[in-house]
Amino acid sequence: DVKVTQSSRYLVKRTGEKVFLECVQDMDHENMFWYRQDPGLGLRLIYFSYDVKMKEKGDIPEGYSVSREKKERFSLILESASTNQTSMYLCASIGTEHQPQHFGDGTRLSIL
Amino acid sequence: AQTVTQSQPEMSVQEAETVTLSCTYDTSENNYYLFWYKQPPSRQMILVIRQEAYKQQNATENRFSVNFQKAAKSFSLKISDSQLGDTAMYFCAFMKHVNSGAGSYQLTFGKGTKLSVIP
Repeated sequence: DVKVTQSSRYLVKRTGEKVFLECVQDMDHENMFWYRQDPGLGLRLIYFSYDVKMKEKGDIPEGYSVSREKKERFSLILESASTNQTSMYLCASIGTEHQPQHFGDGTRLSIL
Repeated sequence: AQTVTQSQPEMSVQEAETVTLSCTYDTSENNYYLFWYKQPPSRQMILVIRQEAYKQQNATENRFSVNFQKAAKSFSLKISDSQLGDTAMYFCAFMKHVNSGAGSYQLTFGKGTKLSVIP
């Protein structure tokens, strides 16, 4: 069974800190995604990657960066965390269009 | 950019009744995929049903079925014989190939509909 694992369920950081959110999938999927989920706004795409070292901006990339050094791992980086980045972050992966997408359990990030 | 619109922020349905959740989308693509996802209070996102745009036949998965109207860009979800376990947030999503590279996709979600099944 495909598993997408996010490193933390809950995380509390301070403004100005550099924050790393890690996501690992075990099905050799090419495509990986980072979303943030906020009440009333649904899931908004931050960045996605279709291959190692490849990345594409989503709808709300400002304030974020990503890293994909290995196929199974896709990291989201908050360079200098701000309070408006307090949110639920979801990672997902896809193999091909014929395969279902798989999501991690989410990371609830609070920036104080 | 693609947009996905779910016009019903919240809905409720009596147990065993039928409910329909609406979704519209905007795209200039001809080939794409549509999905409904369910997110129970436990947070894990679960795929409910998928539809390929090139297929005219509406997808069905047990109690879940869709009404896909390609010309109208509409993709509604019907839940029959609603059960208490159907209580969740439901998200409509659109997926297309992107030009970044072979086998690359972009997946866009609507804002969600909170469905409550009442005993």
